[in-house]
Amino acid sequence: QVQLVQSGAEVKKPGASVKVSCRTSGYTFTDFYIHWVRQAPGQGLVWLGWIDPKTGHTDYALQFQGWVTLTSDTSINTAYIDLNRLRSDDTAVYYCAREYCSGGNCYYFFDYWGQGTPVIVSS
Amino acid sequence: DIQMTQSPSTLSASVGDRVTITCRASQTIGNWLAWYQQKPGKAPNLLIYKASYLETGVPSRFSGRGSGTEFTLTISSLQPDDFATYFCQQYNTTYSFGQGTKLEIK
Repeated sequence: QVQLVQSGAEVKKPGASVKVSCRTSGYTFTDFYIHWVRQAPGQGLVWLGWIDPKTGHTDYALQFQGWVTLTSDTSINTAYIDLNRLRSDDTAVYYCAREYCSGGNCYYFFDYWGQGTPVIVSS
Repeated sequence: DIQMTQSPSTLSASVGDRVTITCRASQTIGNWLAWYQQKPGKAPNLLIYKASYLETGVPSRFSGRGSGTEFTLTISSLQPDDFATYFCQQYNTTYSFGQGTKLEIK
């Protein structure tokens, strides 16, 4: 079965960086884009960007360009998100999610999600 | 950017009730809309896509309607497991979510 398993919670000081992983299984990793979404405490969902594991191509939400970096390692079916220069308002749960594909067409909504990685930024 | 506005923010209802949540887009998105259910401490779970298509395994008491800028999610007869937060998401132009509707027990 399809699974996305993320790395554990992180506590960082302001100005630090963090890298969160999303290990996938149960499907062909290079056939589906991986997206990243965050959710601040008690807040809604915000889309950060996607990566195509087959080509390494990425796209980022405008407000996060230059701050978020998405990468992937096809040898271990894992996607990563790098967050730089963390601020307290980056405290959130970060999710990876797989795009939905059917009949050879893919759409940017999400049928499988990781369990979420809390990132806490505090001095 | 397309803004998604859900109403109400909180909805109190009882088991067996029929409830409807509305999602409005700031500009037309065709029928490129999905609905998710999220329970505390869990990732969102896809319920509906393309405004009205039920994801496999989702109970038939859930239904979605709408196109353009106005969409609804209806639960025909609330079950105890349905008390959760619901989000809409547009995927017409970039990708944005509504702020959520918390469905709580009356």
